[in-house]
Amino acid sequence: QVQLQESGPGLVKPSETLSLTCNVSGASISSGGYYWSWFRQHPAKGLEWIGYIYYSGSTYYNPSLESRLTISVDTSKNQFSLRLTSVTAADTAVYYCARDSDGTGYFFSIWGQGTLVTVS
Amino acid sequence: QSVLTQPPSVSGAPGQRVTISCTGSSSNIGAGYDVHWYQHLPGTAPKLLMYGDSNGPSGVPDRFSGSKSGTSASLAITGLQAEDEADYYCQSYDSSLSVVFGGGTKLTVL
Repeated sequence: QVQLQESGPGLVKPSETLSLTCNVSGASISSGGYYWSWFRQHPAKGLEWIGYIYYSGSTYYNPSLESRLTISVDTSKNQFSLRLTSVTAADTAVYYCARDSDGTGYFFSIWGQGTLVTVS
Repeated sequence: QSVLTQPPSVSGAPGQRVTISCTGSSSNIGAGYDVHWYQHLPGTAPKLLMYGDSNGPSGVPDRFSGSKSGTSASLAITGLQAEDEADYYCQSYDSSLSVVFGGGTKLTVL
């Protein structure tokens, strides 16, 4: 059973860099075929796609975040990471990591529990 | 402003049928991209409820069904139960190479 768990600081100062890691258990990222993804939910708002990385290392980002965003994968640790620079209060949200269902990157069946990041 | 449009809230009594609409455009739903639905309870992981417009993953009750026509899609829930009270999100893909969501609909079971 594949499980995902987000980790990282819960509080980040404005203008600094938000860094989160998603630890994957029950499957190997390097075994291939899936998109490893980040989403977020602002307080009292809907879900937003941040971006994802294919197991091969190709990345796809939300155009609204692309200039500040890096998603990377560390296959040796079986984890992938999110790095968002120059954060503001507008980046305060619950951040989720997820994996797509069938290797198309179109829908997502495995999610982490989420981690709240406050920019203040 | 979400790319896909959903009603902010719907409600129904136990046993009733409710539907949640999801309206997109010619660059996402109307372009032929599938619509998927998630059920989300605050503080928990979103749960995939429907994929490929009308397919329920294993374990999802057949009280849930999905449909799509043109630039819109709908999620229907029959035999409403108290445990169905949650936020529901539609999701698709856009020609701008982005995964896109609706703003979410809060379902209240009266």
